[in-house]
Amino acid sequence: NAGVTQTPKFRVLKTGQSMTLLCAQDMNHEYMYWYRQDPGMGLRLIHYSVGEGTTAKGEVPDGYNVSRLKKQNFLLGLESAAPSQTSVYFCASSRLLNQPQHFGDGTRLSIL
Amino acid sequence: AQSVTQLGSHVSVSEGALVLLRCNYSSSVPPYLFWYVQYPNQGLQLLLKYTSAATLVKGINGFEAEFKKSETSFHLTKPSAHMSDAAEYFCAVSLTGFQKLVFGTGTRLLVSP
Repeated sequence: NAGVTQTPKFRVLKTGQSMTLLCAQDMNHEYMYWYRQDPGMGLRLIHYSVGEGTTAKGEVPDGYNVSRLKKQNFLLGLESAAPSQTSVYFCASSRLLNQPQHFGDGTRLSIL
Repeated sequence: AQSVTQLGSHVSVSEGALVLLRCNYSSSVPPYLFWYVQYPNQGLQLLLKYTSAATLVKGINGFEAEFKKSETSFHLTKPSAHMSDAAEYFCAVSLTGFQKLVFGTGTRLLVSP
């Protein structure tokens, strides 16, 4: 049972480049989330989804877009990367909105 | 708005000593409460959760947490620290069944020999 899988694990981008982070879960969870983790700031919610075809903004959505075309996948896009988006990105999923979230191992993204 | 506060960004203990990590939430309604652990270069793993069945909750790796409504607290404890407990710990809260989890800013536990 793989749980939540994030790809890629590491990436270095130049300012202005675009990229997509992929999250896949095999637990048939309805809810999926994208967070960023920065030193001293804990986890901040970027976007989340309450089901296939739905997305919603979280605490820090600016500069990011998401899509949930299939229930098991949740994509996070950076259209024009900025150095302020250098961070560790985590995807998570849960069966219900207030139930424990299962996390992937993260994507370490550096933007030069 | 609901919030969760973790007191102390870093806590240092000696191996074998008591571990106490503090978490307070702001709510007049008993919430759903969780503790997660994050080891270096990994994602968060659930340690334990409180869902009103019992005020003392036992989790994995010998950790436990006590829900105290009067103090709006859910502190995490372990009687005897082990070197492998060194990690970052996050408290999370959800007020109702229709609200997302809100995470605290984390406490890094350092364990010295």
